[in-house]
Amino acid sequence: QVRLQESGPGLVKPSETLSLTCNVSGASVASYYWSWIRQSPGKGLEWIGYIFHGVSGTTDYNPSLKGRVTISIDTSKNQVSLRLSSVTAADTAIYYCAKRIMDFYYMDVWGVGTAVTVSS
Amino acid sequence: DIQVTQSPSTLSASVGDRVTITCRASQSINDWVAWYQQKPGRAPQLLIRKASILNSGVPSRFSGSGSGTDFTLTISSLQPDDFATYFCQVYNSYMCSFGQGTKLEIK
Repeated sequence: QVRLQESGPGLVKPSETLSLTCNVSGASVASYYWSWIRQSPGKGLEWIGYIFHGVSGTTDYNPSLKGRVTISIDTSKNQVSLRLSSVTAADTAIYYCAKRIMDFYYMDVWGVGTAVTVSS
Repeated sequence: DIQVTQSPSTLSASVGDRVTITCRASQSINDWVAWYQQKPGRAPQLLIRKASILNSGVPSRFSGSGSGTDFTLTISSLQPDDFATYFCQVYNSYMCSFGQGTKLEIK
């Protein structure tokens, strides 16, 4: 059974970089597609991006966040990471890690999420 | 971008009731719709994919239907465990968008 657990600082200052980690158990991060999604009161659920390790690594990001977001994989730790730079209050949200289906952009396993507040 | 409108935002119902939640896409997405159940502090759970296919382990009282732009999630006879938030997602092979969610409350 695949289980995902997000972790990271709950508070980030404006203009700094938000860094989150998703620990994956029950599956190899090298074999599947992984997404990050966030949920905020104002904007609801928003897809952030995905990564597939594969042979050369494939990523895709929400155009609204491109330039600020990076998703990566650490196969030695079986983790998926998210970095979001130059954060503002608008980036305050619950951030979810999820396993994405190979051919389509829906997710069959989600983590419980981790709350991040951007404030000075 | 495909916009997704989900309604109602809140639904009050009783155990045993039949309830329906609607999701409308701004353009046709064939039957590429997923439905999720979310409870506070817990991971969202995939209920339905491809508009009507139940995910493994999902009770048969849940059903999905629709194609094109209009989709519904129906719970045939509400059980106490079903009071939660439900949201739809439209997707294809290169994008996805989510509905705003429906909070199902006990009447």
